[in-house]
Amino acid sequence: GAGVSQSPRYKVAKRGQDVALRCDPISGHVSLFWYQQALGQGPEFLTYFQNEAQLDKSGLPSDRFFAERPEGSVSTLKIQRTQQEDSAVYLCASSPNRTPWEQYFGPGTRLTVT
Amino acid sequence: TQLLEQSPQFLSIQEGENLTVYCNSSSVFSSLQWYRQEPGEGPVLLVTVVTGGEVKKLKRLTFQFGDARKDSSLHITAAQPGDTGLYLCAGGNSGGSNYKLTFGKGTLLTVNP
Repeated sequence: GAGVSQSPRYKVAKRGQDVALRCDPISGHVSLFWYQQALGQGPEFLTYFQNEAQLDKSGLPSDRFFAERPEGSVSTLKIQRTQQEDSAVYLCASSPNRTPWEQYFGPGTRLTVT
Repeated sequence: TQLLEQSPQFLSIQEGENLTVYCNSSSVFSSLQWYRQEPGEGPVLLVTVVTGGEVKKLKRLTFQFGDARKDSSLHITAAQPGDTGLYLCAGGNSGGSNYKLTFGKGTLLTVNP
């Protein structure tokens, strides 16, 4: 079956621009996660949804970051007024209800802020 | 804050050699996952261990979860160039309903032919 897909795969934004990153989870997966991965580092948790409810957003680095999953399927991570330190790979993962800790990752969106 | 430390950070070996990668924490995790990530791709789940002392084998890969559920190891026998990649361990807790993962920084493995 289809895995997690993310778009765009690459995004270059000028400092101060707003960006929107999309995630299509595996069909039927209840849980959806966003992670940020800096170069040479492991992924770091940003936020977590169970269906359409955002249960944890403690990892979002600032109020410029906003995530939504309005219908419990596709999710969008929005970054307003991008800064250079926002440059990273943004990974989306989904997991099934039965084993929510087993997360399946998309290929990521590489964001470069110039 | 829960932290996972992986060692070594970098490992370069010849094809056919054996290796072990370690993942350690001062915190207890209810589950621990190992992922492999290749350049430009997302992490791919290799295995999940949930019971202290648990050992799982996946072809030439052997995964072990420590008795106290604070540490884990990944052993690869007769490494092949196709094993090259970034190996990440990730700990999860099932407290409440939050299943976020805490990742280590990874071990970058290069297997030379």
